Amino acid sequence: AQSVTQPDIHITVSEGASLELRCNYSYGATPYLFWYVQSPGQGLQLLLKYFSGDTLVQGIKGFEAEFKRSQSSFNLRKPSVHWSDAAEYFCAVGRANDYKLSFGAGTTVTVRA
Amino acid sequence: DGGITQSPKYLFRKEGQNVTLSCEQNLNHDAMYWYRQDPGQGLRLIYYSQIVNDFQKGDIAEGYSVSREKKESFPLTVTSAQKNPTAFYLCASSTELSSNQPQHFGDGTRLSIL
Repeated sequence: AQSVTQPDIHITVSEGASLELRCNYSYGATPYLFWYVQSPGQGLQLLLKYFSGDTLVQGIKGFEAEFKRSQSSFNLRKPSVHWSDAAEYFCAVGRANDYKLSFGAGTTVTVRA
Repeated sequence: DGGITQSPKYLFRKEGQNVTLSCEQNLNHDAMYWYRQDPGQGLRLIYYSQIVNDFQKGDIAEGYSVSREKKESFPLTVTSAQKNPTAFYLCASSTELSSNQPQHFGDGTRLSIL
């Protein structure tokens, strides 16, 4: 079975500061990796995905994520946070020949002025 | 614009009552999913459908039922057998049933008990 861990339940960051959200997974082979963002009372929006190739992927809204096989991690980063980035962020993992995505419990990001 | 429409946005259920949550998509996607979201637990899969007239149980199907009579529609019924139905319910779709296909989400329905 695969599992997804987002170690940080809540992160507070100042506007303009950098942000890094952690995601670790347990799965033997290279998984399919996703980051989603959810604003309050809304559905999830895809930020970026990784399947293979370049381990640094660019997404929407200025986000990027890096796949590190040795650490089983897929951390999300943004160099300079805007107040509109306050939301909940979910990491999701899928595996080959499967239909299912496993979601982490989410990290809530608060942006202070 | 293409997307997924969930209705209603808020729903209240009385004891012993069945309620149905609507999900419609105009993305021409074959696969559709229902998730339940509880605080601090991420998303849990209730049911999924690969194609019209086919659907399968997910991880927490007890107390729920679905139908897939049309490609565009995948309604979820929360039955009286679901003893703890208060949650945020999300419908999603993807081009096909595969974990390498990004899922597109609706804006959710929040269900509460009266």
